[in-house]
Amino acid sequence: GENVEQHPSTLSVQEGDSAVIKCTYSDSASNYFPWYKQELGKRPQLIIDIRSNVGEKKDQRIAVTLNKTAKHFSLHITETQPEDSAVYFCAAIPIQGAQKLVFGQGTRLTINP
Amino acid sequence: GAGVSQSPSNKVTEKGKDVELRCDPISGHTALYWYRQRLGQGLEFLIYFQGNSAPDKSGLPSDRFSAERTGESVSTLTIQRTQQEDSAVYLCASSLVTSGSSRGFFGPGTRLTVL
Repeated sequence: GENVEQHPSTLSVQEGDSAVIKCTYSDSASNYFPWYKQELGKRPQLIIDIRSNVGEKKDQRIAVTLNKTAKHFSLHITETQPEDSAVYFCAAIPIQGAQKLVFGQGTRLTINP
Repeated sequence: GAGVSQSPSNKVTEKGKDVELRCDPISGHTALYWYRQRLGQGLEFLIYFQGNSAPDKSGLPSDRFSAERTGESVSTLTIQRTQQEDSAVYLCASSLVTSGSSRGFFGPGTRLTVL
């Protein structure tokens, strides 16, 4: 089955700097990769996703890149703000067939003012 | 309803009692997931439903845990003879699998405390 590894487990950056979180996956059949943000005491919320036929996707200050050959994908947050502080989870899933959504271990991002 | 709902939002029970947690997915979503999240930890997969069948029950921690889904909608997660280590937030998510995505949406969770 799929296995997703996420690094780093914690990340602290100065407000205004960029943050990068990386994930690797094991199943080459995985073709959909969402990212979730979980603020303290709240449910995980989908913030961006990417399909395997796309190498990069951007939405304002966040972007995700995918390298299918190397089986890794990354979340990039630019011009970080205090409200970006949260735990971020990556996930991978093969769309075809009955497959489960497999999550990485999470990254606790802290933005220092 | 606009999103995934779960009930109860909080449950406090005594060790040894049975509890039942409910999840109402977004209408039309065929896939439904249960996860457990201990304080400050990640998302621990419990069970996955595609329609009414459960192709993957590999995450259920013990035979005290069971889940069912009826009518491709509501799902219930039952924990029998609860133990203190069962204390956690239980999250449900649902998704609609299309040709290009499987966007999952989470419910608010049920916070279970076993005394």
